[in-house]
Amino acid sequence: EAQVTQNPRYLITVTGKKLTVTCSQNMNHEYMSWYRQDPGLGLRQIYYSMNVEVTDKGDVPEGYKVSRKEKRNFPLILESPSPNQTSLYFCASRYAGTGTYEQYFGPGTRLTVT
Amino acid sequence: AQSVTQLGSHVSVSEGALVLLRCNYSSSVPPYLFWYVQYPNQGLQLLLKYTSAATLVKGINGFEAEFKKSETSFHLTKPSAHMSDAAEYFCAVSAINAGNMLTFGGGTRLMVKP
Repeated sequence: EAQVTQNPRYLITVTGKKLTVTCSQNMNHEYMSWYRQDPGLGLRQIYYSMNVEVTDKGDVPEGYKVSRKEKRNFPLILESPSPNQTSLYFCASRYAGTGTYEQYFGPGTRLTVT
Repeated sequence: AQSVTQLGSHVSVSEGALVLLRCNYSSSVPPYLFWYVQYPNQGLQLLLKYTSAATLVKGINGFEAEFKKSETSFHLTKPSAHMSDAAEYFCAVSAINAGNMLTFGGGTRLMVKP
């Protein structure tokens, strides 16, 4: 089954404790992205990657890091989480080809930082 | 730069009534436009997309949207609401030359009354 998976689905942590949220897709997509969803703000793009070893900042990159060492994986790293990073996070992927701009989303990771 | 405005963070309709969810966008280049739906505790699912073909786009579950360039709008409609349509709906825009950048509106929560 074609899908985007994220782990963990739920995470409660404390301020300053490094964490990684994993994202993996099995559709051989070139493009991958991370978003955060906050009430009233919709989804805002954190980082995106257009291929292996190619990443760029989205609208809200502060406090986050990403890496793209393999095509299928795109982990999101919070080196020193803070309470304002409490949010619902989504990973997404899509093909790079023209006319196929649909993004496929993972199920989400709900993060709480205390 | 691109942006999306969804008018009305909450919309309530009776079962069987017309559903109209409003979306206006701004983009300096021809856009691609999307509507996504999010059911409780789930990820985002694509409802429909406009990619410069027909201006009236039909999607899943009986939804459709019309691209109106002169009004910079892409409103989502459904002739007859069903209880199962209760969810949050997001409009999103991606400019043709924007790579993997997808900008979302703030979302509209649709409530359907029996």
